[in-house]
Amino acid sequence: DTEVTQTPKHLVMGMTNKKSLKCEQHMGHRAMYWYKQKAKKPPELMFVYSYEKLSINESVPSRFSPECPNSSLLNLHLHALQPEDSALYLCASSQKLAHEQFFGPGTRLTVL
Amino acid sequence: AQSVTQLGSHVSVSEGALVLLRCNYSSSVPPYLFWYVQYPNQGLQLLLKYTTGATLVKGINGFEAEFKKSETSFHLTKPSAHMSDAAEYFCAVSGPPGAGGTSYGKLTFGQGTILTVHP
Repeated sequence: DTEVTQTPKHLVMGMTNKKSLKCEQHMGHRAMYWYKQKAKKPPELMFVYSYEKLSINESVPSRFSPECPNSSLLNLHLHALQPEDSALYLCASSQKLAHEQFFGPGTRLTVL
Repeated sequence: AQSVTQLGSHVSVSEGALVLLRCNYSSSVPPYLFWYVQYPNQGLQLLLKYTTGATLVKGINGFEAEFKKSETSFHLTKPSAHMSDAAEYFCAVSGPPGAGGTSYGKLTFGQGTILTVHP
């Protein structure tokens, strides 16, 4: 299995909702990443996990809460989001930190 | 610190023509360099990478890139464009494993170049 999967593909939520994004890989990679991508812009790094430990947090607001339950799974818990948080959320994984990253198809999030 | 500059936010070519997408980087450590392609509403797909060794690297779909340290460049080329090459292309840089520093583990992207291919 050489791919990163993300669910759901699309998500629409209100500002008071709580939802979660899920990412999974079965390549044995030990680093996993969350990115946010706005239209016509490059991906912006949000969080990095290395060996299931949070390694990098790019000063992301606390309404985004990452979780890495095991080496194959990465979640992003969402609570009290703002309309400006609407974006494509991409997950990626790599063998280790600083190795080439493989991206999932993304979750298109719309906050109403 | 590391950064990437992609010259030209939009490039337009005719089908069958040469594709040249320009990328210049800045890095305080020997860089690892990547080109990714993104089709509309999809994730990023790795086209090719430079880590060490041969400076001319070949990737998928007929693309190749040459690492030129003296010019701090990593331009992407394809001899003959195909309609299916129309997409957005991102150049990215990271420090190599073990480099350490505040940029360690981070992939820094350029602003992207949208490639249009005309029939």
